[in-house]
Amino acid sequence: GNSVTQMEGPVTLSEEAFLTINCTYTATGYPSLFWYVQYPGEGLQLLLKATKADDKGSNKGFEATYRKETTSFHLEKGSVQVSDSAVYFCALNSQAGNNRKLIWGLGTSLAVNP
Amino acid sequence: AAGVIQSPRHLIKEKRETATLKCYPIPRHDTVYWYQQGPGQDPQFLISFYEKMQSDKGSIPDRFSAQQFSDYHSELNMSSLELGDSALYFCASSLEGWETQYFGPGTRLLVL
Repeated sequence: GNSVTQMEGPVTLSEEAFLTINCTYTATGYPSLFWYVQYPGEGLQLLLKATKADDKGSNKGFEATYRKETTSFHLEKGSVQVSDSAVYFCALNSQAGNNRKLIWGLGTSLAVNP
Repeated sequence: AAGVIQSPRHLIKEKRETATLKCYPIPRHDTVYWYQQGPGQDPQFLISFYEKMQSDKGSIPDRFSAQQFSDYHSELNMSSLELGDSALYFCASSLEGWETQYFGPGTRLLVL
């Protein structure tokens, strides 16, 4: 079945460091891929998405490229800030007939220190 | 822009009680999804509705039921609550044919 695997956290970085959170997936067909972010005590927010191979999603300085050949959708940011401290979830959109649901990775906690 | 609204935001119940969670999707969205997120865990899909009909079912216990109403809002009814039901419950909405799900802020349920 479809699945998403994320690198385990927690990830701790200093401000202005480079961030990579790895995400790989297993899926039939051509799913869309998403990164959601959950700030402490808050709900899930869509960070970025990509709907087909080689698409690059970007938002708030974060980027991820849909790589079909490596089945990956790694999240990157060139210079993290303290305010980026959150849990990041990689997800794919699994569709069977008319049913559609998100398949989630386990989440990666990021802590950015000043 | 209008977002998904969930109520209540926090709820405290005792074992064996019932609870009702409400979700108001983004205007014109016709699909609603319910998720349960335990502490430190990823969201678990419970159930979804499209045009007031159940469209998919995940790991929703038999003690729970849900429906979508004519105005597209949805309610998750939880009976015979157990300690293990303590979690954050998210509702998400989307427009059929558009695959991006937008999440509400969640309802934090604590069962004592």
